[in-house]
Amino acid sequence: DIQMTQSPSSLSASVGDRVTITCRASQSINRYLNWYQQKPGKAPKVLIYAASSLQSGVPSRFSGSGSGTDFTLTISSLQPEDFATYYCQQSWGTVTFGGGTKVEIK
Amino acid sequence: EVQLVESGGGLVQPGGSLRLSCAGSGFTFSTYWMSWVRQAPGKGLEWVANIEDNGSEKNYVDSVKGRFTISRDNAKNSLNLQMNSLRAEDTAVYYCARDYHFDTSGRGYYFDYRGQGTLVTVSS
Repeated sequence: DIQMTQSPSSLSASVGDRVTITCRASQSINRYLNWYQQKPGKAPKVLIYAASSLQSGVPSRFSGSGSGTDFTLTISSLQPEDFATYYCQQSWGTVTFGGGTKVEIK
Repeated sequence: EVQLVESGGGLVQPGGSLRLSCAGSGFTFSTYWMSWVRQAPGKGLEWVANIEDNGSEKNYVDSVKGRFTISRDNAKNSLNLQMNSLRAEDTAVYYCARDYHFDTSGRGYYFDYRGQGTLVTVSS
C-alpha cells in the first residue's frame, strides 16, 4: 500500500497566519491527491482534489500544490472557522489517508 | 438531497461477525462506486473497501482482506459490509461514503458524501 505521511501532526496558529501542511507519498501518485477538513463530530469535507483543484464552494484562501510524491495544502490567512483537522488522501492505488494535522488556536 | 444512513453496528466479541448496511437516497445509487471508511475513536480516517457501481469490482485494505466482504443491491439502493473474524483493532465508527470520480482514469476520486456512521465495538 502507498503510505501517506503528513506533517506536522499538529500546529498552533493565530487568525490571519499563513499555514502550510505537507503530505508525502511513499511512491509517485501523479496528482491523485485530495485534501479534507474535518471538524469534531462532523463528516470530512473535501477542500482540494487532484492536488490543486478547489472544490466548489471552498474559500479561495485554501490552495493545493504538488505532484509525484510531495504535496502541500496552504491556508493563506487562517480564519476562526479553519481550526480543524486536515487529512490528505491518495487514490492512485488503493485509497490511503495521511495521519492528519490538527490546527489549533495559538 | 443526498442521504446515506448506516445501520448494524454494535458490540461483538473477538472472532464474531457483524453485517453493516447503508441505505442511499437522493441520487442514482446504481451509477456510483461506494466505499466504507472507518475512524477509530480519537484516531484518523481509514478506507476499508469499495465496490464498483455494478458490483463487479471490489477492493479492500490489506488488514481486512479475507475477513470483510463488501456488496451492494442496486434495486434496494443499499450497500453492505459483512465483517467476520472481528478483532479489537476493528473497533471504529464505520461510514459509508460515495465515491465521486473526477476524471475518466478510474484513479481520480474523492468521497463527497458520508453517512453519520455506525459504531462497531469488538471487545470481550
